[in-house]
Amino acid sequence: QVQLRESGPGLVKHSQTLSLTCSVSGDSISSDKYLWGWIRQPAGKGLEWVGRVDSSGKTDYNPSLGSRLSISIDTSKNQFSLELNSVTAADTAVYYCVRRGYWYQPNDFWGQGTLVTVSS
Amino acid sequence: EVVMTQSPATLSVSPGERATLSCRASQSVSRYLAWYQQKPGQAPRLLIYGASTRATGIPARFSGSVSGTEFILTISSLQSEDFAVYYCQQYNHWPDTFGQGTKLEIK
Repeated sequence: QVQLRESGPGLVKHSQTLSLTCSVSGDSISSDKYLWGWIRQPAGKGLEWVGRVDSSGKTDYNPSLGSRLSISIDTSKNQFSLELNSVTAADTAVYYCVRRGYWYQPNDFWGQGTLVTVSS
Repeated sequence: EVVMTQSPATLSVSPGERATLSCRASQSVSRYLAWYQQKPGQAPRLLIYGASTRATGIPARFSGSVSGTEFILTISSLQSEDFAVYYCQQYNHWPDTFGQGTKLEIK
């Protein structure tokens, strides 16, 4: 069974960098069948794709986040990571890491989510 | 960005009855449409993909269909564990986008 687990600080100061890591078990992120990504959800609100990465390191970012975002993959550790800089209160959310099939596929496995709060 | 619009925002249904949830896309997404269920404090769970294919382990009372440009999730004979928030998502155009959700509550 594929499992994803997010880790990282739950509190980040305004204008600093939010950093999260997703550890994957039960599957190899070196597989070219899947994309690995981040989705976030502010409290009481809907879901927003942040960005995704494939096994080669190719990334796609949500344009709404502009150049603040960086997603990387470490196949040796079976992990991928998110860095979002210059954070504001609008970045406070539960962040989920997910697995998505490569070609026109849905998100089939999700982490349990981790709450990140941006403090002023 | 493709805008997904779900209706209604809240749906009140009695256990044992049928629930019908709607989702529309601002442009064509072909059949690249998924439905997810989210319970409080949990991650969303994939129910339906390809507009009408049930994901692994999903009960047969959940079904997805397309009517013109409208995607529909039907839950026949609601069980107590089905009361949750449901999201549709298109994955045809990056960024994949979600609807705002329909809260299915007990009547």
